[in-house]
Amino acid sequence: NAGVTQTPKFQVLKTGQSMTLQCAQDMNHNSMYWYRQDPGMGLRLIYYSASEGTTDKGEVPNGYNVSRLNKREFSLRLESAAPSQTSVYFCASRATLNTEAFFGQGTRLTVV
Amino acid sequence: GIQVEQSPPDLILQEGANSTLRCNFSDSVNNLQWFHQNPWGQLINLFYIPSGTKQNGRLSATTVATERYSLLYISSSQTTDSGVYFCAVGKGAQKLVFGQGTRLTINP
Repeated sequence: NAGVTQTPKFQVLKTGQSMTLQCAQDMNHNSMYWYRQDPGMGLRLIYYSASEGTTDKGEVPNGYNVSRLNKREFSLRLESAAPSQTSVYFCASRATLNTEAFFGQGTRLTVV
Repeated sequence: GIQVEQSPPDLILQEGANSTLRCNFSDSVNNLQWFHQNPWGQLINLFYIPSGTKQNGRLSATTVATERYSLLYISSSQTTDSGVYFCAVGKGAQKLVFGQGTRLTINP
């Protein structure tokens, strides 16, 4: 049972390039989330999907788009990367609103 | 939205010591978790504890929902306990909101 799997683990982009971060969970969870963590700080929510077919903005959505491809997969896209998007990105999932959330291992993204 | 405050921000202890980490939150919640972020950056689930008390080995946690705080206790600290401890809370349809964390360093 892999839990929440993120790809890639590391990525370096040039300013203006685009890329998609992938996230998949095998726990049959309904809700999925994308967070970012900047140095010395807690995690901040970018986007979330409460259930398959729905997505909503979180605290820091600017510069990002998401797709809930199916119940298992939730991707995060940077259309035109900026140095301010250098961060560690975490994907999470949980069965319902009032249950335990589980996190992936993170993607360390550097934009130069 | 809900505000989450963790204290202390930093804690340095010798191996074998005990510690108490605190999480205060600004509104009633029905979802509260404690995580350990190890030095490699992984977020490890410690407790799902919106109320009450739980124990897992040397770690235990208590949430007093009516007074809007939670405590994480670590007994007989080991160097592998080092890292950052996060509290995250949520209410109703709201998502998990994280505190800034407590950085724990255990020296041998």
